[in-house]
Amino acid sequence: NAGVIQTPRHKVTGKGQEATLWCEPISGHSAVFWYRQTIVQGLEFLTYFRNQAPIDDSGMPKERFSAQMPNQSHSTLKIQSTQPQDSAVYLCASSLEGQGETLYFGSGTRLTVL
Amino acid sequence: GQQVQQSPTSLVLQEGENAELQCNFSTSLNSMQWFYQRPGGSLISVFYNPSGTKQSGRLTSTTVIKERRSSLHISSSQITDSGTYLCAMALNVGDNSKLIWGLGTSLVVNP
Repeated sequence: NAGVIQTPRHKVTGKGQEATLWCEPISGHSAVFWYRQTIVQGLEFLTYFRNQAPIDDSGMPKERFSAQMPNQSHSTLKIQSTQPQDSAVYLCASSLEGQGETLYFGSGTRLTVL
Repeated sequence: GQQVQQSPTSLVLQEGENAELQCNFSTSLNSMQWFYQRPGGSLISVFYNPSGTKQSGRLTSTTVIKERRSSLHISSSQITDSGTYLCAMALNVGDNSKLIWGLGTSLVVNP
């Protein structure tokens, strides 16, 4: 079991460019979560899928952020027109069911927007 | 304001000393969890502890829901315990999607 895999580990974009972050959850896990982590704000919930269906995206900035889960084996988080304030570590986590189950996190993607 | 307050913000110990990390919540909660994060590493679940006391090796977690607090006790600290410890509360029972996180306690254990 390789755990939750996130790619790339680091991404640097210029202001206004697009960034796509990838997450491969643990095989067999039906729930996938995206979080953003900064020193100032700590961890912030972004969005949540269960069995590939979007369940809750209440944490997603509405205009430039989107997330998809086209199949069981991967999810993507896309940020259009990146801004310096988007700089953060983006964490993906998966769990068996999403309700009361242990969360398993990936190592994150550190996004730096210049 | 921050709904989850962790203290201390940082802690430096000599190997072998004990540590007590605190987590206080400003709102009612249904359950909470402790996580550990090594610099540049993944978050690892340490305890899922809705209430009461749980122990795993040198780590003990005690949650008192009515008092809106939880603590993580590390006994006989080791260098490998160094890292950041985060607590997170769930507003709804067992609902991982609504976890509210503290900013963490950074622990350094020196030889």
